[in-house]
Amino acid sequence: EPEVTQTPSHQVTQMGQEVILRCVPISNHLYFYWYRQILGQKVEFLVSFYNNEISEKSEIFDDQFSVERPDGSNFTLKIRSTKLEDSAMYFCASSELMNTEAFFGQGTRLTVV
Amino acid sequence: GNSVTQMEGPVTLSEEAFLTINCTYTATGYPSLFWYVQYPGEGLQLLLKATKADDKGSNKGFEATYRKETTSFHLEKGSVQVSDSAVYFCALSDRGQGAQKLVFGQGTRLTINP
Repeated sequence: EPEVTQTPSHQVTQMGQEVILRCVPISNHLYFYWYRQILGQKVEFLVSFYNNEISEKSEIFDDQFSVERPDGSNFTLKIRSTKLEDSAMYFCASSELMNTEAFFGQGTRLTVV
Repeated sequence: GNSVTQMEGPVTLSEEAFLTINCTYTATGYPSLFWYVQYPGEGLQLLLKATKADDKGSNKGFEATYRKETTSFHLEKGSVQVSDSAVYFCALSDRGQGAQKLVFGQGTRLTINP
């Protein structure tokens, strides 16, 4: 069964460092998303991406964040200068069409120290 | 804005007990409603969904009915198993400016004891 895969499963980084979280969406999907979950809090929408551009972003997704689809398979989330409060589980998701089911990856746990 | 509120966890039950996890929502328009499940060490998986009022979503013995009058989408299962132990998230779709985005509740951790 096709699945969304994320790497790494756990990333530890020092405050101020850049980090790139990687995702391989399901191959025939056209819409891509990043969500995050700070420990003990809700899963929050960060950004949606379609046709090589951002469709929508939340207030959380400030200038420190960027997304890219560098090739035909990967979808990345970059945090330019990490802060302690960026520590969270980051989920990638993809969907075939705008209104169809979103499939989630297993998440990357980011720990900023 | 749109929001989802779930019952506080954690919830601990014995095997074969009846399960209800409450979920209420606030939304403009007519969102679709979802329950996602996260098993230990895994990602979020769609458990069931309902796209309009009075629809009932069901899967793996779980059910939830879209109640517009009470703005609720409570998750139920008649007889839980140890393998149902997981975190359950209620969510609604928010069309926003383009692609669908999901608004999640805070999650409810369910533990089933043998």
